[in-house]
Amino acid sequence: GIQVEQSPPDLILQEGANSTLRCNFSDSVNNLQWFHQNPWGQLINLFYIPSGTKQNGRLSATTVATERYSLLYISSSQTTDSGVYFCAANNDMRFGAGTRLTVKP
Amino acid sequence: DTEVTQTPKHLVMGMTNKKSLKCEQHMGHRAMYWYKQKAKKPPELMFVYSYEKLSINESVPSRFSPECPNSSLLNLHLHALQPEDSALYLCASSPPRGVNTEAFFGQGTRLTVV
Repeated sequence: GIQVEQSPPDLILQEGANSTLRCNFSDSVNNLQWFHQNPWGQLINLFYIPSGTKQNGRLSATTVATERYSLLYISSSQTTDSGVYFCAANNDMRFGAGTRLTVKP
Repeated sequence: DTEVTQTPKHLVMGMTNKKSLKCEQHMGHRAMYWYKQKAKKPPELMFVYSYEKLSINESVPSRFSPECPNSSLLNLHLHALQPEDSALYLCASSPPRGVNTEAFFGQGTRLTVV
């Protein structure tokens, strides 16, 4: 099956800073999603983005399917952005290991 | 409505008990999933149902038994579990292959085996 790798594994930022999270995948994808997992375990949908670019407020994402990677951009980070960010690929939703983001006030 | 409802939210069971986890969606999705997530790890796929038929079983031990009685409901029957099976169990659903296949997750059942 498809392999999904995320980087960096951990990221610590000061409030207001920008960040880029990366997701590499080993094969072509027909589904690529980004999630934020809150402290209670809920996986919150951020983007469904098998290709192209999308923006939602301070967050945006780009998937370059031909080069097998996706990027999640967080601008002007806030403490509430803290948590674990996962990407998941394809119809059987294989997850990467996640990026644990800590935003300090 | 993009809601996937899982019950119960918390479950404590003994190693000799039989219990069931329930997952329900009313979005018309025909693919449903079970995942297991241990602390500080990503969700691990367990089972996938497509059009109410089991399409993926990730070599899950037989003490976990999935069931999809209709297109809105997914169960996970538990029997003779071990303490190492304690984890967050997540259910998801998505539209069928070939269209926008965005998946949505329930809030999970936090299972403790004693």
